[in-house]
Amino acid sequence: DVKVTQSSRYLVKRTGEKVFLECVQDMDHENMFWYRQDPGLGLRLIYFSYDVKMKEKGDIPEGYSVSREKKERFSLILESASTNQTSMYLCASRTPAGGRNQPQHFGDGTRLSIL
Amino acid sequence: AQSVTQLDSQVPVFEEAPVELRCNYSSSVSVYLFWYVQYPNQGLQLLLKYLSGSTLVKGINGFEAEFNKSQTSFHLRKPSVHISVTAEYFCAVSETSGSRLTFGEGTQLTVNP
Repeated sequence: DVKVTQSSRYLVKRTGEKVFLECVQDMDHENMFWYRQDPGLGLRLIYFSYDVKMKEKGDIPEGYSVSREKKERFSLILESASTNQTSMYLCASRTPAGGRNQPQHFGDGTRLSIL
Repeated sequence: AQSVTQLDSQVPVFEEAPVELRCNYSSSVSVYLFWYVQYPNQGLQLLLKYLSGSTLVKGINGFEAEFNKSQTSFHLRKPSVHISVTAEYFCAVSETSGSRLTFGEGTQLTVNP
């Protein structure tokens, strides 16, 4: 079974801090994704990475950056946290092997509060 | 660009009743369709997916969904529900040429005794 692990379940930070959210997957997946989940808005894609050192902007990249130095790890960075970044953050991974119909596998999420 | 609309934000039902969660999508190209479930304080789990072929797709826990190309819909159904399926359900679409998923807003299914 695929295991996607997010380093923190709950995190509280202050406005202006630099915040790191970490995600690790154990299945050698090439693709990794960061979403934020807000009530009534579903999941929105922040950034994704097709492979190591590759990254592409999703639908809401403003205020965020990412790092993918190793295949198993995908980090989301809030450069200067603001209160409107309080949200649930979900990481996912998938492999393109076997066709484009491979599903994404999700971690349990990090609930981030910015005070 | 693709989009997904889940027509009901909340669906309350009684135990053992049938349920349908509605999903419409919009895309100018061929798509794959997915339903995910999220239990409280957990990530998303794949329930079922439509790739091609038969328009009726069966998933885990007795759920099924029907792809209707003419109505651009992918509604999720279960003939009889148990309290344990209380969760939030997300419909998602990806173009067959890509790997990005676009999610709907989610439907909270609450099963009451």
